[in-house]
Amino acid sequence: DTGVSQDPRHKITKRGQNVTFRCDPISEHNRLYWYRQTLGQGPEFLTYFQNEAQLEKSRLLSDRFSAERPKGSFSTLEIQRTEQGDSAMYLCASSPGLAVQETQYFGPGTRLLVL
Amino acid sequence: GDSVTQMEGPVTLSEEAFLTINCTYTATGYPSLFWYVQYPGEGLQLLLKATKADDKGSNKGFEATYRKETTSFHLEKGSVQVSDSAVYFCALSNTRSDYKLSFGAGTTVTVRA
Repeated sequence: DTGVSQDPRHKITKRGQNVTFRCDPISEHNRLYWYRQTLGQGPEFLTYFQNEAQLEKSRLLSDRFSAERPKGSFSTLEIQRTEQGDSAMYLCASSPGLAVQETQYFGPGTRLLVL
Repeated sequence: GDSVTQMEGPVTLSEEAFLTINCTYTATGYPSLFWYVQYPGEGLQLLLKATKADDKGSNKGFEATYRKETTSFHLEKGSVQVSDSAVYFCALSNTRSDYKLSFGAGTTVTVRA
C-alpha cells in the first residue's frame, strides 16, 4: 500500500497562469476528496468524487476551479487564471467508500504559490 | 452547518508534561470525531477517532473521549515527548454531509527537552 500521492509537491506560478495538480489515491479507494489549507488554518473541503462522479462542490470552488476523475482512479484539479489568493496547500484524501464513518487518508499536498 | 472549535495555540510544554487540547463541535445528527496530526514537513495523519458517544479513541499514548452532552472531544496525553511536537487538528464527519471532514484551525504544540 503506497498511500495517497500528489504531484507536484510544490508549484510557483505567475498570476493569470493555469495550473494542474494530480492526485493518485490508495488503490481501490472509491472516494476521493480535495481540500485547501491556508497558513494557520485547518483544511477546508473543496470537492469529492465517488468513483468518477463528482458528487459535491464547495462554494469555495469558484468557476476557475475544475476537478476531474475520469476513470475513477487518479484525479486532477485545475485552476485557471490563478490569483494570489489561490496560494495555499492543496490536499487530496481518499477513503474506501464502502462504509459509514470511515477514515480519510491524506496525501502530502501540493503547495501553490502565486506571484 | 457543521463546525469545530479547538483551543488556540501555540502551546509550549516541557518533556513529560501533561497535554490537553480542547475541541468542541457543532453538528446535526451523529458525527464521527477525529484527531489528525501534522508533523513538520509531513502530511496529515490520523491520530485517533471515535464514531459514537462515549467512545474513547486512543493511539500513541493519546486519548480522546466523545462527549455528546458537552459536544466535546478533548485530546490528552499524560507525558509528552519532543517527538510529539506537531500541529494537531480536530475534525468531524457527518453522514448528513457525505462524510466530508470539517476541521478546526489547528493547535501547534512544541515540546522542549
